[in-house]
Amino acid sequence: GQQVMQIPQYQHVQEGEDFTTYCNSSTTLSNIQWYKQRPGGHPVFLIQLVKSGEVKKQKRLTFQFGEAKKNSSLHITATQTTDVGTYFCAHGSGNTGKLIFGQGTTLQVKP
Amino acid sequence: KAGVTQTPRYLIKTRGQQVTLSCSPISGHRSVSWYQQTPGQGLQFLFEYFSETQRNKGNFPGRFSGRQFSNSRSEMNVSTLELGDSALYLCASSAGGGELHTQYFGPGTRLTVL
Repeated sequence: GQQVMQIPQYQHVQEGEDFTTYCNSSTTLSNIQWYKQRPGGHPVFLIQLVKSGEVKKQKRLTFQFGEAKKNSSLHITATQTTDVGTYFCAHGSGNTGKLIFGQGTTLQVKP
Repeated sequence: KAGVTQTPRYLIKTRGQQVTLSCSPISGHRSVSWYQQTPGQGLQFLFEYFSETQRNKGNFPGRFSGRQFSNSRSEMNVSTLELGDSALYLCASSAGGGELHTQYFGPGTRLTVL
C-alpha cells in the first residue's frame, strides 16, 4: 500500500530559527494532511492539501504540496517554544477515515 | 461541541487478558477510526467504522476487533493481550460521507500490558 516517508526524525533548533519537515511518497497522493502532537497529547489537525503545487499559510506555518503530488513540506518561520511537538504528515486513503501517517518529525526548541 | 472522548484513559492488564476501550465521537460524526501509536511503529491504522459498519481495516491480527453502535459510539476489543500491545490507542471521528474529512482525535487510552 501507499507509504509516506517523513524526514528528519528529530530536529533541535534555537528559538527564532526556521524549521522544515518533509514528507515523500513513491506514488502520487490524492491528498496530504498535517497534524501536530504536543508531548503527552494527541494529534491535532493543522491543514489539508489536495491540489498540485498548492501552498497554504497559517501565520508562521507554510504548507506545500509538490507539483507531482508525491511530496509535501511544512515550514515554520522563527520558531517559538510553543511550536514544540511532533509533526505528522498523513495521507487519506480513499474517501474514508483511514489515514496513513508518516513517522513524524519531533521538534525541540531551545529558548 | 464536546470533543472526542475516550475511556478509560489508562489501563494496566496482564498477558492473556482481554480489554475493551470506548470512544464517543463528536456529536453528528458518523465515522470513527482507531489507531495504535507506539514509539517504534508510530501511528498505525486499526480500523474504521461508519454507520455501524466496518469500512476499512488495517494490518492487525484478528485479536483486534471493534464495533460501532447506532449512536456512533465505538468500542475496540483486544483479546489475548501480548506485551507488544502496550501502546496509546487513539480514536478519531469525522463527519464521514463521501469526502475526506478532518479527523478529530481523542486523548487516547494508554494501555500497558505486563
